Amino acid sequence: QKEVEQDPGPLSVPEGAIVSLNCTYSNSAFQYFMWYRQYSRKGPELLMYTYSSGNKEDGRFTAQVDKSSKYISLFIRDSQPSDSATYLCAMRLKNDYKLSFGAGTTVTVRA
Amino acid sequence: EPEVTQTPSHQVTQMGQEVILRCVPISNHLYFYWYRQILGQKVEFLVSFYNNEISEKSEIFDDQFSVERPDGSNFTLKIRSTKLEDSAMYFCASSEGIYQETQYFGPGTRLLVL
Repeated sequence: QKEVEQDPGPLSVPEGAIVSLNCTYSNSAFQYFMWYRQYSRKGPELLMYTYSSGNKEDGRFTAQVDKSSKYISLFIRDSQPSDSATYLCAMRLKNDYKLSFGAGTTVTVRA
Repeated sequence: EPEVTQTPSHQVTQMGQEVILRCVPISNHLYFYWYRQILGQKVEFLVSFYNNEISEKSEIFDDQFSVERPDGSNFTLKIRSTKLEDSAMYFCASSEGIYQETQYFGPGTRLLVL
C-alpha cells in the first residue's frame, strides 16, 4: 500500500463549480497535512496547512482532515479558470523533516 | 513577499558530468531542503539541512549527491557524476523552523542529462 494515495484525475469542471479533491494515507502517525498548488513547470505553492482533525477555511478553500479514517480533502468553491493547476497533498510526521506527497490531481476549470 | 529562488531554471548536461544547482532560501529561514520530481511522478524528498549539517536524507540521496551552504545566503545541491535517471525537476525549499513550520518551495531547476 502506498504511503499517500491521490487520484491523479484529470478533473474537469465548469467555472463556478465546487472542486473536491482528496487523499488517503496509510501511516496513522502523520500529524501535519498540507495542500499545495502547482502550475505547469513551477514549484509547489502552499495553499492550506492543518494539523488537527476537522475543517479549516481560507477564502474559497476548505481543508478537511479525518485522522480516524486517514483521509484528507480540499474543497474549492466558486472555481475559476485560474484555479486550473495540479493540486498536491502532502503530509509529515511529528518529528520528521520530510514531506510525503501524493501524486497530484490535475484540475481544469472551464470558462 | 519573500520567496525561494533557484538558478539555473534549466540545465542540460552530459552523463557523467558534475552539476551544481543553486538556491537562495528565504532570508530568516533556518531549515533547507531539496526535493525532486521526475516527469509524471511524485515530488520526492532528497535531503534536509540545518546548522550546516544534513539532518535527514532519503535513499535517493546517495554518495553522488552532496549539499552545502557555502555562504550566508546560498544553498547548493551537487550531483557528482550525473546519470540519465537524474533527469528531473529539482526543487529547493526552506522553512523558518521545524515540525510545525511549513516549507516554501522555489520554482525549480529542470535538469536534463543526455
